Amino acid sequence: SQQGEEDPQALSIQEGENATMNCSYKTSINNLQWYRQNSGRGLVHLILIRSNEREKHSGRLRVTLDTSKKSSSLLITASRAADTASYFCATDDGGGADGLTFGKGTHLIIQP
Amino acid sequence: DGGITQSPKYLFRKEGQNVTLSCEQNLNHDAMYWYRQDPGQGLRLIYYSQIVNDFQKGDIAEGYSVSREKKESFPLTVTSAQKNPTAFYLCASSGTGGPGQPQHFGDGTRLSIL
Repeated sequence: SQQGEEDPQALSIQEGENATMNCSYKTSINNLQWYRQNSGRGLVHLILIRSNEREKHSGRLRVTLDTSKKSSSLLITASRAADTASYFCATDDGGGADGLTFGKGTHLIIQP
Repeated sequence: DGGITQSPKYLFRKEGQNVTLSCEQNLNHDAMYWYRQDPGQGLRLIYYSQIVNDFQKGDIAEGYSVSREKKESFPLTVTSAQKNPTAFYLCASSGTGGPGQPQHFGDGTRLSIL
């Protein structure tokens, strides 16, 4: 079963603008991760935020986590054409050996 | 370069045929996973293995089988019992520190029906 749900399903912005994607989940988590998938390729891990963290940065990426609302957001600043991809959140609920539960993803298109 | 290699990139299956997708990793990871990805459905877990000679069913294991005879290899067989096998199949692995660790993915195999 899928726990994470990304919002919006699709997002189109101009190059240079900021892109924000949201993820909501249902149960308590140990950590939440964001992945990127370019068309026809595998997923690439971007960033991990633990349940006791509220914000994390990595280059042009900023992730926030609100455990009281069971939600996370991924902000990509100063977007580039190369950021065009699908972005997935994945949660670790620590409940089993099967690892992460992935959402359905947000498809981001950066218009040049 | 360490990573995960999936082969073939494209695969076609005839009716009643079993096909096997290869997944090899040289990351020295204990855990390996198989996912199925359909358009708009995200990733769904088929099988996973935390250690050699042991594997467990995921959410959609029916019509699939796996083996884990070596740490580096986790092949997936799509059997004729899987009636809707057309999808993008992704293999992943993760290292020590528990099942919730970041996963490393291969570039997938796209399976279609002839």
